[in-house]
Amino acid sequence: EAGVAQSPRYKIIEKRQSVAFWCNPISGHATLYWYQQILGQGPKLLIQFQNNGVVDDSQLPKDRFSAERLKGVDSTLKIQPAKLEDSAVYLCASSLVPAGTEAFFGQGTRLTVV
Amino acid sequence: KQEVTQIPAALSVPEGENLVLNCSFTDSAIYNLQWFRQDPGKGLTSLLLIQSSQREQTSGRLNASLDKSSGRSTLYIAASQPGDSATYLCAVRGATNKLIFGTGTLLAVQP
Repeated sequence: EAGVAQSPRYKIIEKRQSVAFWCNPISGHATLYWYQQILGQGPKLLIQFQNNGVVDDSQLPKDRFSAERLKGVDSTLKIQPAKLEDSAVYLCASSLVPAGTEAFFGQGTRLTVV
Repeated sequence: KQEVTQIPAALSVPEGENLVLNCSFTDSAIYNLQWFRQDPGKGLTSLLLIQSSQREQTSGRLNASLDKSSGRSTLYIAASQPGDSATYLCAVRGATNKLIFGTGTLLAVQP
């Protein structure tokens, strides 16, 4: 079974530039999560999708972050414009719909904003 | 609002020791709790998943327990090895399938 795929693995941009991350979840997984993990901290949920609908985006900085999940499969997370404090690892995860199932994570994208 | 705390934040032990990592959560209305391992610069690897109706789960040298009523879980690692060095994270899942993480425990096993 293929795992959660993320790209790119690393990205360095200047502040005020824009950046996009891509995630392909495990086939059949209706729930998709995007997390932000700042160095030394636990992952913080940015947005949760079920199929192509948003379940929770309460911690997404909507003035600069946006996310979409086309056709309930792949997802992209965009930051525009980036700030220095956006430097972090962005993790994508997926799981089946029932709340009792296991979540699987991708390798993450390490973003450095200079 | 669910809050998850992990103690200690960092731990260093000599090889061969048994050790316990702690996870506590404020809202006991959870569906399950999952323990993850994270190596430097890598993503999260799932170690154990405990459903809310279960008391413990075991995988090899790892044993995780869950006391939902008191809002606590422990991860027990037997006969620790240098290869166990990593950050260990616990996460709880609530009714909306939302997965909330703790702050992690950085483990170093000295050879």
